[in-house]
Amino acid sequence: KQEVTQIPAALSVPEGENLVLNCSFTDSAIYNLQWFRQDPGKGLTSLLLIQSSQREQTSGRLNASLDKSSGRSTLYIAASQPGDSATYLCAVPNTGNQFYFGTGTSLTVIP
Amino acid sequence: GAGVSQSPSNKVTEKGKDVELRCDPISGHTALYWYRQSLGQGLEFLIYFQGNSAPDKSGLPSDRFSAERTGGSVSTLTIQRTQQEDSAVYLCASSLALGATGGYTFGSGTRLTVV
Repeated sequence: KQEVTQIPAALSVPEGENLVLNCSFTDSAIYNLQWFRQDPGKGLTSLLLIQSSQREQTSGRLNASLDKSSGRSTLYIAASQPGDSATYLCAVPNTGNQFYFGTGTSLTVIP
Repeated sequence: GAGVSQSPSNKVTEKGKDVELRCDPISGHTALYWYRQSLGQGLEFLIYFQGNSAPDKSGLPSDRFSAERTGGSVSTLTIQRTQQEDSAVYLCASSLALGATGGYTFGSGTRLTVV
C-alpha cells in the first residue's frame, strides 16, 4: 500500500519568507502527483499537478518538483503572504482505484 | 458544469436518521470519488466510480453506507441510521480517468453533523 508522508506537520513563518514543504511516497509507480490547498472548513483546491514524466511545475509563486526515483516531491512557496496560510496536501494516484493523501502541512504566515 | 458541485453544503441530522449527499461532477469526467475527512484527520477513501464499471466500494466503513451514480454523472452517497461518528466533511472529486493528465477536481464538500 502506498504511504505518503509530509514534513513538517506544521510550519510558522514570518511574511515574506521563502519556504519548502516536503512530500515523500513509498511506491514510485505513480501517474502523477498533485498538490492541494485546504482552508479551514473548506474543500480542496488544486495548486499544481506534476506528471510522472515531468520534473517540476510552476504557478506564480509556487514551484513543485518531483523525483520519482527517490519518492519525493517538494512545494516551494516564494515570498510567503498571510493569505498562504492553509493546510497543504500532496496526493498520488496509484495503479489501483484510489489516490493517497499525505498527512498535510499546516502553514501559518505571520504578518 | 465548471466545477464539482456538492449539496447540501451543511447538514445537521439527528442520530438514527438517513441522509443523502449529492455530487455533480464536471461534465465528461468518467471517474468520481467520495472521501471523508473527520475532524483533525486525513482524507479517508470511501468509494470510486469509473465509467460503467462496478464501483470500488472497498473504503465504505459499514453497510450503512452506500452510493450510486446514475447515468454516469450525478452521484448520491447515502448514510442510513446515522451515528455521531459519521460526523465529518464528505468530499467528492472527479477526473477524466484514473491518472488523467488533468488531475482531480474536488467539490467544496458537505459538512455532516449528527446530533
